[in-house]
Amino acid sequence: DADVTQTPRNRITKTGKRIMLECSQTKGHDRMYWYRQDPGLGLRLIYYSFDVKDINKGEISDGYSVSRQAQAKFSLSLESAIPNQTALYFCATSDSGLVTEAFFGQGTRLTVV
Amino acid sequence: TQLLEQSPQFLSIQEGENLTVYCNSSSVFSSLQWYRQEPGEGPVLLVTVVTGGEVKKLKRLTFQFGDARKDSSLHITAAQTGDTGLYLCAGERSGNQFYFGTGTSLTVIP
Repeated sequence: DADVTQTPRNRITKTGKRIMLECSQTKGHDRMYWYRQDPGLGLRLIYYSFDVKDINKGEISDGYSVSRQAQAKFSLSLESAIPNQTALYFCATSDSGLVTEAFFGQGTRLTVV
Repeated sequence: TQLLEQSPQFLSIQEGENLTVYCNSSSVFSSLQWYRQEPGEGPVLLVTVVTGGEVKKLKRLTFQFGDARKDSSLHITAAQTGDTGLYLCAGERSGNQFYFGTGTSLTVIP
């Protein structure tokens, strides 16, 4: 089983719908992140959480919200999806050492029509 | 505007050739990482460089961190088809926030 699991892997939704992307991890890491990936733009940070009670906005948080339900679970919500939120979304985790590594899920491909 | 800019964005070379990918920023990072991503997968860490001027070698891959810790390069010697993928640099700032570069898509032609 993957250390970082994202569900769903693919989703098509209509403009204006609410959608939730889920992420769970078995690595025991405190820190979790949500990124979106668009061609030519690399990965951009949406939100990150350093522990269950900590939520922080990233570079592009507008239109998104998150919930850290437990150490192992971090979900991303689009309250009212719009077409320019069509992208590949990645969840990642890391530990809290001085120099750390980000471990990624396999991604969720979201299409908003 | 991306914090980290990579060049080139696309690179297509013949097997056996050498190549260099650049990662540049006006910001200072505590460490700089390089990841490789294959289609349908998340990025996977290749290397972390921490000290300004540091050079690390991983078989045919050579990574360098700029003296001022604002930029980095990845050099691949004698590229192979298995090197094909998307290469991403990522800068780490205080508090373990990872800022990723714009990416370089490498295709190695047999």
